[in-house]
Amino acid sequence: GAVVSQHPSWVICKSGTSVKIECRSLDFQATTMFWYRQFPKQSLMLMATSNEGSKATYEQGVEKDKFLINHASLTLSTLTVTSAHPEDSSFYICSARYAEGNQPQHFGDGTRLSIL
Amino acid sequence: GQQLNQSPQSMFIQEGEDVSMNCTSSSIFNTWLWYKQDPGEGPVLLIALYKAGELTSNGRLTAQFGITRKDSFLNISASIPSDVGIYFCAGTTNSGGSNYKLTFGKGTLLTVNP
Repeated sequence: GAVVSQHPSWVICKSGTSVKIECRSLDFQATTMFWYRQFPKQSLMLMATSNEGSKATYEQGVEKDKFLINHASLTLSTLTVTSAHPEDSSFYICSARYAEGNQPQHFGDGTRLSIL
Repeated sequence: GQQLNQSPQSMFIQEGEDVSMNCTSSSIFNTWLWYKQDPGEGPVLLIALYKAGELTSNGRLTAQFGITRKDSFLNISASIPSDVGIYFCAGTTNSGGSNYKLTFGKGTLLTVNP
């Protein structure tokens, strides 16, 4: 099946640091990529949607200057959490799909971000 | 916005029992997806449904796209310990194009006692 690789799987860093998370589709062209945030025992919360070559569309309440998204190629999207603070600690999950026809979303394994 | 009501919220069953969970929506969906998430990992796609009335199996898992297009269920037969996890339903009203967006249920936590 389709594989989405997310890296790193775990990050611990000091407050004020910027952190970059990568998401790659390994065996298909990801025309659309999604970034989610998940708090413990809760469902996935969509942060933003990005189409290759276009600016990301952010959900209401998500600061685009705080969470920078780049989708420069059909196989790679990055999420940069800028000047991270403890309240940004969470589980971040990327997802990708090929936007033509009935193609489902496939998810990466997530990145556990802990800000000290 | 669109909401999905997923039930039950949690289930505690004995190994070998069958399991059923469902999702309902106030909106008509044209795609239903079922995912399983293990602790510390991302969701894994179990079954995708694209037509009203469609019944699809994946091993011991069976899911159906409701005829009204506002609901779906997932059944697991003869449960085993590795079925433990959180099961999410998800749906979209737009399967293609730039307006595609998945709405997720709140999940069903399944615990299987050996």
